[in-house]
Amino acid sequence: EAQVTQNPRYLITVTGKKLTVTCSQNMNHEYMSWYRQDPGLGLRQIYYSMNVEVTDKGDVPEGYKVSRKEKRNFPLILESPSPNQTSLYFCASSSSAGFYNEQFFGPGTRLTVL
Amino acid sequence: GQNIDQPTEMTATEGAIVQINCTYQTSGFNGLFWYQQHAGEAPTFLSYNVLDGLEEKGRFSSFLSRSKGYSYLLLKELQMKDSASYLCAVPDSNYQLIWGAGTKLIIKP
Repeated sequence: EAQVTQNPRYLITVTGKKLTVTCSQNMNHEYMSWYRQDPGLGLRQIYYSMNVEVTDKGDVPEGYKVSRKEKRNFPLILESPSPNQTSLYFCASSSSAGFYNEQFFGPGTRLTVL
Repeated sequence: GQNIDQPTEMTATEGAIVQINCTYQTSGFNGLFWYQQHAGEAPTFLSYNVLDGLEEKGRFSSFLSRSKGYSYLLLKELQMKDSASYLCAVPDSNYQLIWGAGTKLIIKP
């Protein structure tokens, strides 16, 4: 089954404790992206990757890191999480970065930072 | 700058028709997407419009007017399962999607 998977689905952590949210897609997609979603603000892009070893900042990259060492995986790293990073996070992928390509989303990771 | 506006919330009755509007301001135009998102779930693709006019896909239709910076999603024969948020998004010049805050649609029996 073609899909984007994320782990963990739910995470409660404390300020400053490094964490990684994994994202994997099995559709051989070149383009991958991370979003956060907060009430009333819609989806905001954190980082994106056009292909392996190519990543770039989105609208809200502060406090986050990513890597794209292989095509299928695009982990999101919070080196020192803070309470303002409490949010719902989505990973997404598409076949390329073209305007017309729909994005496929993972199920989401609900993160709470105390 | 780029901006997308959608109503925050709408209510409609089962079996009826509802129109969800989206207005956008972009420096260029490369199409407009509609996604559906049920509460607590991931967004799923509904439609992509790049030319003016109405595109129909079953009970859902999407309309675009590039000259007016305006789109709408039309949902017919509403069902309770259509209760969800509907997100409008446009790509910017760097291929990244700019998202509206979404319209929460509440369906009443």
